[in-house]
Amino acid sequence: QVQLVQSGAEVKKPGASVKVSCKASEYTFTSYTMHWVRQVPGQRLEWMGWINAGSGDTTYSERFQGRVTITRDTYANTAYMELSSLKSEDTAVYYCARENSGWNYFDYWGQGTLVTVSS
Amino acid sequence: DIQMTQSPSSLSASVGDRVTITCRASQNINSYLSWLQQRPGKAPKLLIYATSSLRSGVPSRFSGSGFGTDFTLTISSLQPEDFGTYYCQQSYSVPRTFGQGTKVEIK
Repeated sequence: QVQLVQSGAEVKKPGASVKVSCKASEYTFTSYTMHWVRQVPGQRLEWMGWINAGSGDTTYSERFQGRVTITRDTYANTAYMELSSLKSEDTAVYYCARENSGWNYFDYWGQGTLVTVSS
Repeated sequence: DIQMTQSPSSLSASVGDRVTITCRASQNINSYLSWLQQRPGKAPKLLIYATSSLRSGVPSRFSGSGFGTDFTLTISSLQPEDFGTYYCQQSYSVPRTFGQGTKVEIK
C-alpha cells in the first residue's frame, strides 16, 4: 500500500524558514513526480511546486518563486519542501502528493503538516 | 493560470438524493480534470481522474462527466459518509489549480 508520511507540526516565527519532509514507501520513489500543495485555513488548495524524483528537476509556482525549495533524497525515499521568509499568511497545512503520469492526477497524499507562523 | 470555478459553494441534501456539482475551467483543459473529497481535518482523497475514471475502491454512486471547460461530479444516491468538501483540479498545465470547493452537508 503506497504511503506518504509527513513530518510533524511546526511553529515558526516570522522571517524564519521551515522544512517539511514526506517519506514515501511501497513504490519506486524515483519513478514519480512529487508535488507540494498547501491549504490556508478556510481556503482552497494551492499548488506550490513539484520535483521529478528521478531527475531532481523542479518547477515552482510563481507565487512562491524565490521562497520555496523542493528537494529529494533518493536513498531515503523522501521529498522535502522548504519555505523561507515566513509570514503569518503562510500559516497553513502543507501536503505532499504523488502524481500519476498519463493524466497527471494526484493519486496519493500525505497526511498534511500544520505550519503555524506566529510571533 | 487556469482558473477553476465550482458551483454551488455549499449544499445540503438528504440521504438518497442525487447531488450534482459543476466545475468550469477558464480555458480548455481537455479531460485533465480530477475530483477530490476532503473530510474535515483530513487530507484530500482522489475520487475521479481523467474526468470520468473512477479510482479503484471508490463507490460507483460517484461519477464524472464533461470535456474542455465544463465538468460535473454526480453522486447518484447521497450517503451519510459523503459529507465533506469536494474539489475539482486541473492537471492540464502548470500551475496546477483547484476549484474553491463545494461543501456537502447531510440534512
